[in-house]
Amino acid sequence: KQEVTQIPAALSVPEGENLVLNCSFTDSAIYNLQWFRQDPGKGLTSLLLIQSSQREQTSGRLNASLDKSSGRSTLYIAASQPGDSATYLCAAGSQEYGNKLVFGAGTILRVKS
Amino acid sequence: EAGVVQSPRYKIIEKKQPVAFWCNPISGHNTLYWYRQNLGQGPELLIRYENEEAVDDSQLPKDRFSAERLKGVDSTLKIQPAELGDSAVYLCASSSWTGRTDTQYFGPGTRLTVL
Repeated sequence: KQEVTQIPAALSVPEGENLVLNCSFTDSAIYNLQWFRQDPGKGLTSLLLIQSSQREQTSGRLNASLDKSSGRSTLYIAASQPGDSATYLCAAGSQEYGNKLVFGAGTILRVKS
Repeated sequence: EAGVVQSPRYKIIEKKQPVAFWCNPISGHNTLYWYRQNLGQGPELLIRYENEEAVDDSQLPKDRFSAERLKGVDSTLKIQPAELGDSAVYLCASSSWTGRTDTQYFGPGTRLTVL
């Protein structure tokens, strides 16, 4: 059974700092790895999706990497801004069409101005 | 393009009462998901539909939960009777296979409080 763990559970940084969020998964036979953002009282917004054959994906100030062999993914946020404050969730997609996602508990990020 | 629509946004009920949640997915998305998110946790899949067919309901507590997706578009998730432990946010998501990926798009969720 796939288990996803995210470290740290919470993070507070000053504006402008570069930061890394970590995600680990127990079953390396994943279909993809996705990072989501969740704002309070809102649904999830997909940030980046890395297919199992890929090593990383980039979107603006965000870069996500995937190392299947070690069961790890990282989300790198450059030059953090107060608007980046949210909960960041990673999810491992099972290796089948239909993309069953197993989520971690998330990292609560606060960027202080 | 409109996103995934859910209603109601909030619901407060007494235990043992029934409750229903409604979801309208993104137009053209044939896959629909219902998730439950407990406080401080990530979402957990309850059921997945491919068009009208429930293809994965292994985590749906079938003694009290039921779901339907008539005509392969809108979906309803029902709980009867509700228990205190059912308090959570119920999220609906939809996706469509593009040939390379099928990113899931989430609605805002329904926050259920059972008293």
